[in-house]
Amino acid sequence: QKEVEQDPGPLSVPEGAIVSLNCTYSNSAFQYFMWYRQYSRKGPELLMYTYSSGNKEDGRFTAQVDKSSKYISLFIRDSQPSDSATYLCAMSAPSGAGSYQLTFGKGTKLSVIP
Amino acid sequence: EAGVTQFPSHSVIEKGQTVTLRCDPISGHDNLYWYRRVMGKEIKFLLHFVKESKQDESGMPNNRFLAERTGGTYSTLKVQPAELEDSGVYFCASSLRPEEQYFGPGTRLTVT
Repeated sequence: QKEVEQDPGPLSVPEGAIVSLNCTYSNSAFQYFMWYRQYSRKGPELLMYTYSSGNKEDGRFTAQVDKSSKYISLFIRDSQPSDSATYLCAMSAPSGAGSYQLTFGKGTKLSVIP
Repeated sequence: EAGVTQFPSHSVIEKGQTVTLRCDPISGHDNLYWYRRVMGKEIKFLLHFVKESKQDESGMPNNRFLAERTGGTYSTLKVQPAELEDSGVYFCASSLRPEEQYFGPGTRLTVT
């Protein structure tokens, strides 16, 4: 079983729709939960991060973490064509060496159709 | 503020050759990470520097990979000799805090 599972999609939605992206994980030691956006041939861009459980909102984006279910979500409201990208979830916990290396999902490819 | 930069953006080498990738982190970021994505797989951790010291190199695949961070500024990742399975995109990230790792654009390495 992979540490982080993420449906690769592709996911296609009409402009203005609410998008829900999800990841599940198996390592209960994960403390930080991040969402990255990656455009084609670019590096991952940090969108949001959450520490432990709870919700966090930033504009049209809301991140949720449910540690009891080992499930995290990213919601995008009023989706725009410019949101078309691959969305990566990532998580971290302190390693034995004290490093917070990121463990990534495979990414979900999102297309927002005008 | 300049972001993380990586050079070259793309490198094509033959099996057995040597390649050196460079990463310049965001100024003032003590933490520097290397990650790699091979075709069809997720991005995976390679190693972590704090300033010039290797904090964690548990993700380095084998001793053909050598990373350095001279003076705690830029970092290089050398692959010698390169094998076909080393092809992929190599990302560098830097951070002040563990929850905010900022990635560079990556170096696409193709070994033929």
